[in-house]
Amino acid sequence: QSALTQPASVSGSPGQSITISCTGTSSDVGSYNLVSWYQQHPGKAPKLMIYEVNKRPSGVSNRFSGSKSGNTASLTISGLQAEDEADYYCCSYAGTRSTNWVFGGGTELTVL
Amino acid sequence: EVHLVESGGGLVQPGGSLRLSCVASGFTFSDYWMSWVRHTPGKGLEWVANIKNDGSARNYVDSVKGRFTISRDDPKNSLFLQMNSLRAEDTAVYYCARALYSGNSDWGYWGLGTLVTVSS
Repeated sequence: QSALTQPASVSGSPGQSITISCTGTSSDVGSYNLVSWYQQHPGKAPKLMIYEVNKRPSGVSNRFSGSKSGNTASLTISGLQAEDEADYYCCSYAGTRSTNWVFGGGTELTVL
Repeated sequence: EVHLVESGGGLVQPGGSLRLSCVASGFTFSDYWMSWVRHTPGKGLEWVANIKNDGSARNYVDSVKGRFTISRDDPKNSLFLQMNSLRAEDTAVYYCARALYSGNSDWGYWGLGTLVTVSS
């Protein structure tokens, strides 16, 4: 059981927008603006897509955006493209409990 | 360009040991905290351990405390993970990772990973 809760799967058609939620607690997502999102294609290393809730690294498309409200963070992908099909993981700093960082269980995005 | 290259994975019996290595290039290694993050098909991603840029602080996820030790050799731009008393649930691809910018709480750079399989 992962510390952060994500939907197991989401899907959308090319050109559409989808949102992936990531629900934590007041001890992690709710306490820190240190939520990041990672894209992982099968057999590949994760890629940072969003950091510090809503910042995009250089080179990441502006179709990817992040937000947070209370204990829930969200990743929105607009104008879906075939290459967006991948697993997406959220992550939050969690302080000094049993783990410094907690991940969500991952969401499989299918582009129909 | 930042490069992280892991090695040392393999098949090991339960209770056995392995030492993972990560060689870094393309940046000033001694300026960054470094982490190990693992991935399993069933559980997804899990942060395992990190070490401060001067080696003075180390943190671990509870499930590996007392069994794994993270260390670094800055002159050799190298990060290590000594894994003892391995269990089946440690089976994963282990990634060496660095923050996007020094001081960030994210992992902007990753190696390709090294597979650890714990099985009899």
